[in-house]
Amino acid sequence: GENVEQHPSTLSVQEGDSAVIKCTYSDSASNYFPWYKQELGKGPQLIIDIRSNVGEKKDQRIAVTLNKTAKHFSLHITETQPEDSAVYFCAASGSNYQLIWGAGTKLIIKP
Amino acid sequence: EAGVVQSPRYKIIEKKQPVAFWCNPISGHNTLYWYLQNLGQGPELLIRYENEEAVDDSQLPKDRFSAERLKGVDSTLKIQPAELGDSAVYLCASSSNIRGGSYNEQFFGPGTRLTVL
Repeated sequence: GENVEQHPSTLSVQEGDSAVIKCTYSDSASNYFPWYKQELGKGPQLIIDIRSNVGEKKDQRIAVTLNKTAKHFSLHITETQPEDSAVYFCAASGSNYQLIWGAGTKLIIKP
Repeated sequence: EAGVVQSPRYKIIEKKQPVAFWCNPISGHNTLYWYLQNLGQGPELLIRYENEEAVDDSQLPKDRFSAERLKGVDSTLKIQPAELGDSAVYLCASSSNIRGGSYNEQFFGPGTRLTVL
């Protein structure tokens, strides 16, 4: 079935360093790949998304890259700050307008 | 502008009891989703509405779960009877209409944390 794998499950980086989270999807028909950030006690919030007709998208300190051939996409956060600490989820579009979600990455920013 | 509103935020019940969750989506959003989120996992879709029509309920355990969106705005999700394994966070999300082949951003509420004892 449709599946999204996300790695690592936990990522600890020094404040100011970069963080990279990677996802792999199984459905070659997927064409929409959002990233959501979830803070404690809150619902997920979209931070960036990419569609299959582009290979990279940037928004200030956040960027997403997509390799459709390999069915990989990654989230890059540069110059990390304490407020970046949260759980990050990747997702890929599936059949019937569903989003198939990864299991999440807990990002810890060390001061 | 108000976001997606959910109530209650927390609910503790004993097994076999009924429970209901309420969601008010962002004004103008025709698409409404109910998700279940277990600890340490991503959201899992239970049901998706387009206006008042349930267009995807394939993941909804229909023997004990039911949902409604009578006027195409607010929605309720009910569990009867609740089981121990139903303990989770129930998230509601809304988006503008996705018909036409385009995905739109989903806006999530804070969720209802259900504990079944």
